[in-house]
Amino acid sequence: DTEVTQTPKHLVMGMTNKKSLKCEQHMGHRAMYWYKQKAKKPPELMFVYSYEKLSINESVPSRFSPECPNSSLLNLHLHALQPEDSALYLCASSQATAEEGYTFGSGTRLTVV
Amino acid sequence: SQQGEEDPQALSIQEGENATMNCSYKTSINNLQWYRQNSGRGLVHLILIRSNEREKHSGRLRVTLDTSKKSSSLLITASRAADTASYFCATGYSSASKIIFGSGTRLSIRP
Repeated sequence: DTEVTQTPKHLVMGMTNKKSLKCEQHMGHRAMYWYKQKAKKPPELMFVYSYEKLSINESVPSRFSPECPNSSLLNLHLHALQPEDSALYLCASSQATAEEGYTFGSGTRLTVV
Repeated sequence: SQQGEEDPQALSIQEGENATMNCSYKTSINNLQWYRQNSGRGLVHLILIRSNEREKHSGRLRVTLDTSKKSSSLLITASRAADTASYFCATGYSSASKIIFGSGTRLSIRP
């Protein structure tokens, strides 16, 4: 299995909703990442997990809460989002360091209404 | 914050022609990677070049790296319609477990 699977592919949520994005990989990668991408912009790093521990938080607002239940799963819990949080959320995984290529999921297109 | 800037921002060429994209970055790197993204979906890793390498090939792709100028180029030879996509360079560091993406080049291949 050489894929990163993200669910759901599309999500529409209200500003008072709580939802979660899920990401799964079975390549034995020990680093997992959340990126946010706005239209016609490059992906921006949000969080890095290394060996199931949060190693980098790029000053992301607390309405985004990451979770890594085990080495294959990565979640992003969403609560009280704003319309400007609408974006493509990408999950990626890699070997323990970022010195090899990343494998990206196809993303979750999030719309906050 | 973005590390790399890419030029051109957009490039339109005829099918069969070669496409060249350039990436410049600001600080010392451990490696530089190129990714392709189709229609705002997931990114696909194309090639990685380490800081001690100057040139690398993969199929129709050729990447160069000039660490003295802090720049890299991606050449796609004999372009095809399927090459239409956005291309991003990404810089990797030995001191941080993350890569930072450049601004991207939107490539369109005309039939």
